[in-house]
Amino acid sequence: QVQLQESGPGLVKPSGTLSLTCAVSAGSVSRGNWWSWVRQPPGRGLEWIGEIFQSGNAAYNPSLKSRVTISLDKSKNQFSLNLRSVTAADTAMYYCAREWRDAYDIWGQGTMVTVFS
Amino acid sequence: QSVLTQPPSTSGTPGQRVTISCSGGSSNIGRNAVNWYQQLPGTAPKLLIYSNNLRPSGVPDRFSGSKSDTSASLAISGLQSEDEADYYCASWDDSLNGRVFGGGTKLTVL
Repeated sequence: QVQLQESGPGLVKPSGTLSLTCAVSAGSVSRGNWWSWVRQPPGRGLEWIGEIFQSGNAAYNPSLKSRVTISLDKSKNQFSLNLRSVTAADTAMYYCAREWRDAYDIWGQGTMVTVFS
Repeated sequence: QSVLTQPPSTSGTPGQRVTISCSGGSSNIGRNAVNWYQQLPGTAPKLLIYSNNLRPSGVPDRFSGSKSDTSASLAISGLQSEDEADYYCASWDDSLNGRVFGGGTKLTVL
């Protein structure tokens, strides 16, 4: 069973860059799936950040597109999220997920990131 | 303000049938599949329904989904205490060229 595990700093300073990695186990990022990032501010709903295909093609939430980069590292079997110029509004639980049949069938456990000076 | 609209909350008693609505538009639900996710307190979301009305392996048949025009619904029959959770609908939006979620519905089992 494919498993996803997020990792990265839990605290980021305002105007800094949030960088997270999602490690894929028991599966390969080189298979025909899209790999995604979704976030959830405390007490609020889910927000799609973006996704990347095995080819490297990526799609981003228009509201975040100017600040986001999602990349794929096939050699390490992982994918990453970089979110630049963060503010307190970027404080959230960040989830990575695998797309299957146009739905997210596998999710990581999530990692909380707080923007705090 | 979410692109897909869900009621903020609903409730039911054990054994009852409840439905959760998800309203969208022609650029999302009107053209694309709807998925539903269940999020138990303190956990990651779990796929409940995909492609409007299909259940992943392991999801009880008490859960069912439907779609009509620009709206979708999730029905839960034989309500159980462990169904108490937040439920989210999701779809792809052709105008935004991205995935959109509903704001979520908190289900309370009385």
